[in-house]
Amino acid sequence: QKEVEQNSGPLSVPEGAIASLNCTYSDRGSQSFFWYRQYSGKSPELIMSIYSNGDKEDGRFTAQLNKASQYVSLLIRDSQPSDSATYLCAVIRWNGGATNKLIFGTGTLLAVQP
Amino acid sequence: EPEVTQTPSHQVTQMGQEVILRCVPISNHLYFYWYRQILGQKVEFLVSFYNNEISEKSEIFDDQFSVERPDGSNFTLKIRSTKLEDSAMYFCASSEASGLSSYGYTFGSGTRLTVV
Repeated sequence: QKEVEQNSGPLSVPEGAIASLNCTYSDRGSQSFFWYRQYSGKSPELIMSIYSNGDKEDGRFTAQLNKASQYVSLLIRDSQPSDSATYLCAVIRWNGGATNKLIFGTGTLLAVQP
Repeated sequence: EPEVTQTPSHQVTQMGQEVILRCVPISNHLYFYWYRQILGQKVEFLVSFYNNEISEKSEIFDDQFSVERPDGSNFTLKIRSTKLEDSAMYFCASSEASGLSSYGYTFGSGTRLTVV
């Protein structure tokens, strides 16, 4: 079982629509959850982080976390063509060490059609 | 906005050669990481570094790999004898906290390593 699972897509939405990206994780010990955006050939860029169950909003982005279902999602409202990228879900599981690695999913490719 | 700087942006090397990838983390960050991404695959953890020593390493990080913080600003990844399968994008990342914060990690722009 993969630690972090995402649908690879592509997810195609029209400009102005809501894009919904989903992620599940296998380890119930996961504590921190992140959404990164990655344009082709570029590095991951942090969009949102979430730690508690419920919703967290930042501008056009809303992250949702349900620890009971081991599910994280990202909603992008008023999608723009510039949002077209691969969205990476990542989790951190506290291991008691000094550092805690990010575990990434394979990413979902989002294509926003003008 | 502070950045993590990586050099070179692209390196081509012959199989069996040694390469050193360089990173300058954000100045007040204490935790440093190397990740890699083979073309078309997911971002994979290689190694983390704190307080001048390796904190955690993955199965990928075998004896061919080493990391060093030779001075107060640079953080390097060395691959002693490159293989074709080492071809990937290598990302350096740094964080000011151990991860349980809202800041996550800041990634550098990456070094594309091509082994021929």
